[in-house]
Amino acid sequence: AQSVTQLGSHVSVSEGALVLLRCNYSSSVPPYLFWYVQYPNQGLQLLLKYTTGATLVKGINGFEAEFKKSETSFHLTKPSAHMSDAAEYFCAVSDRAAGNKLTFGGGTRVLVKP
Amino acid sequence: GAGVSQTPSNKVTEKGKYVELRCDPISGHTALYWYRQSLGQGPEFLIYFQGTGAADDSGLPNDRFFAVRPEGSVSTLKIQRTERGDSAVYLCASSENPLGLASGELFFGEGSRLTVL
Repeated sequence: AQSVTQLGSHVSVSEGALVLLRCNYSSSVPPYLFWYVQYPNQGLQLLLKYTTGATLVKGINGFEAEFKKSETSFHLTKPSAHMSDAAEYFCAVSDRAAGNKLTFGGGTRVLVKP
Repeated sequence: GAGVSQTPSNKVTEKGKYVELRCDPISGHTALYWYRQSLGQGPEFLIYFQGTGAADDSGLPNDRFFAVRPEGSVSTLKIQRTERGDSAVYLCASSENPLGLASGELFFGEGSRLTVL
């Protein structure tokens, strides 16, 4: 069975500061990993994904994440937070043997202070 | 529209009533997924369709929950004898080709918020 753990249900950052959201996973097979963002009253939107190849992946809105197999981690970062980054962020792992069914972490809500 | 469409966006019902939630996936997407998101939690998998058949229904919490996709496009999630604990946002997602190793991305609708009084 797969699982995802996101450390910190809430993160508060100042505008212009580094955003770091932590994600650790467990998977019995090489994983596909995803970060989704959910703005208030909206659906989940894909930020970025890792499938194969380069372990540092870049996504939309200046976000990037690095797959570290040895640490079973896929932390999300953005060098400089913007007010529009205030949202909830979900890390997910895909079970390729089961139709790409996603298992999500509990989410991290990001608050950006001016 | 080009995205996943879910109706109704909000549904308020009374305990014990029957509810249907509809999902219209992106045209051409063969896979369709239902998730449930309770307040303050991440989405939890309910059921996944490949075409018309339910390929994996291991996430359905009990036999009050049922879903269909009779023509391989629109899907309906059905909840019988609703309970207050069923209150959540029900999310639908579709995927172009779940067997494709290069894909894996799910496209989500905005969800149907169910409130059981």
